[in-house]
Amino acid sequence: GAGVSQSPSNKVTEKGKDVELRCDPISGHTALYWYRQSLGQGLEFLIYFQGNSAPDKSGLPSDRFSAERTGGSVSTLTIQRTQQEDSAVYLCASSLRRESDYTFGSGTRLTVV
Amino acid sequence: AQSVSQHNHHVILSEAASLELGCNYSYGGTVNLFWYVQYPGQHLQLLLKYFSGDPLVKGIKGFEAEFIKSKFSFNLRKPSVQWSDTAEYFCAVNPVGGQNFVFGPGTRLSVLP
Repeated sequence: GAGVSQSPSNKVTEKGKDVELRCDPISGHTALYWYRQSLGQGLEFLIYFQGNSAPDKSGLPSDRFSAERTGGSVSTLTIQRTQQEDSAVYLCASSLRRESDYTFGSGTRLTVV
Repeated sequence: AQSVSQHNHHVILSEAASLELGCNYSYGGTVNLFWYVQYPGQHLQLLLKYFSGDPLVKGIKGFEAEFIKSKFSFNLRKPSVQWSDTAEYFCAVNPVGGQNFVFGPGTRLSVLP
């Protein structure tokens, strides 16, 4: 597609529920990243996918967070047993190569109540 | 671990004033450097980038940034700001050979008409 597409744009969920956030990167971009932006905070790196290599999960804050990327394209970030501190905007970005500049999606605003 | 600092949390200027936003990073090796901008309600967009060559890089909308290797800095400048420049500005560093970008905490710019 023309840009990075994320869905849903907004998600309100009850504490303890699981949520899935979806990212559709730019076609042909081999690298895909998930970041989290909390109110008043910068961008916190979560996870990185490069082609068919094993993902870099070093930024995931707990084992409740997981992500996969199917067929080197669409990625899903899953948060299990959501907590209020998970409330944030979850941003996905893709790039042509690892060191190229990122193109960001519009993000998913997650609110845990 | 690499880190990126941005000197100002919130900058308030009048239209036509000159702008300089500071960015410093901690990494001793070769880096690629970026400034991203997030206008209210919009997604992050690339403003400019430095990979190599002339340390003074020009971006969109009249912005420029200067890479000073000895100071580990990549400050953003604009000679005359406009109300439409009101946004949040993020500096980002990608160490060459590294996995992902490290973002600064952001600087909010408010331009008064």
